[in-house]
Amino acid sequence: DAKTTQPNSMESNEEEPVHLPCNHSTISGTDYIHWYRQLPSQGPEYVIHGLTSNVNNRMASLAIAEDRKSSTLILHRATLRDAAVYYCILSNGNKLVFGAGTILRVKS
Amino acid sequence: DTEVTQTPKHLVMGMTNKKSLKCEQHMGHRAMYWYKQKAKKPPELMFVYSYEKLSINESVPSRFSPECPNSSLLNLHLHALQPEDSALYLCASSQEGQVTGELFFGEGSRLTVL
Repeated sequence: DAKTTQPNSMESNEEEPVHLPCNHSTISGTDYIHWYRQLPSQGPEYVIHGLTSNVNNRMASLAIAEDRKSSTLILHRATLRDAAVYYCILSNGNKLVFGAGTILRVKS
Repeated sequence: DTEVTQTPKHLVMGMTNKKSLKCEQHMGHRAMYWYKQKAKKPPELMFVYSYEKLSINESVPSRFSPECPNSSLLNLHLHALQPEDSALYLCASSQEGQVTGELFFGEGSRLTVL
């Protein structure tokens, strides 16, 4: 399984944008890039996913590097409710294997 | 209905007990998953069912026995567990067997083995 590398933790101020990086240098051409987040005492929650092009949805934006070896999850205006563990995951076939994730702390 | 429902929410069992965890979804999804999550660790994939057939077993010990009676229901039968099996067990589902879209997760069943 291709691996992802994320910072252990990041901190953001409320109402400011947050850029969460992810490196995946061993990504294959058919791997999708997924982002999930997990709030305390809850199951993981889908955030966004993409293959090659940048993606936007109501929660976030996903910027994928041209060589696909890295990606960035962008939360446009962080709120206290965005404090969670954010997982960057590669999928190929029917497996979604989680990496260690980034703990995002949001300060008011 | 975009929910994955897991029961029970909490389970305490002894090492000689037999118990089951249940997961249900009514979104018409054809793939269902079991993950195990220890405290402060990421979820670990255990099993994948695709179209009611077991397609992935991540070398899980036989004391965990999955079952998919129909496309809406996924069970995890537990027997002769060890205290180190105490964890949060998460169920998820997705529309198709290939993970090209969203996985929907339940809130999990927290298992304590005494």
